[in-house]
Amino acid sequence: SQQGEEDPQALSIQEGENATMNCSYKTSINNLQWYRQNSGRGLVHLILIRSNEREKHSGRLRVTLDTSKKSSSLLITASRAADTASYFCATQVGYSTLTFGKGTMLLVSP
Amino acid sequence: DVKVTQSSRYLVKRTGEKVFLECVQDMDHENMFWYRQDPGLGLRLIYFSYDVKMKEKGDIPEGYSVSREKKERFSLILESASTNQTSMYLCASSFGDLVGNTIYFGEGSWLTVV
Repeated sequence: SQQGEEDPQALSIQEGENATMNCSYKTSINNLQWYRQNSGRGLVHLILIRSNEREKHSGRLRVTLDTSKKSSSLLITASRAADTASYFCATQVGYSTLTFGKGTMLLVSP
Repeated sequence: DVKVTQSSRYLVKRTGEKVFLECVQDMDHENMFWYRQDPGLGLRLIYFSYDVKMKEKGDIPEGYSVSREKKERFSLILESASTNQTSMYLCASSFGDLVGNTIYFGEGSWLTVV
């Protein structure tokens, strides 16, 4: 069953700009994770935020979680062409396995 | 670094063939997963395993089976391949408890069934 849903489906920005992607979900979660996928490759874990956390940072990445709105956002600051990829949120409900959304395609132009 | 290796990057098989997709991880992870990824549908879990010889169905197990005889190896089997199984297949693994742990993915196997 599909849990997280990313928005927008696609995002095109210039290098140096910030990129914001959102993820909404339907039921209470244990944790939410963001993954990145370069074209035709496997997914790479970016960051995990637990349900009792509101914000986490990792380098140029900032993730927020609003459990009252059942939503999360991923902010990439000062984007680079190398950030071009698809970004997926994945939610975990209780002791179940992760459920992935359909992803946001980010294009960063030089 | 964790390494999840999928044995075949690209495969072309005929309808009705039995297909084996192999996956090996080198970090002694308890959990292993098989997903398929299709445009517009995202990643969908086919099967996962939390221990040797243990397996659990995911969201779309029909037409697939799995085998985990050794901790490091998880095989996905298409008993009789069909064209609607043309997809990208991703193997993954994780350590310990299923809850709150990072999943490490392989590079994917592109399967075309003709």
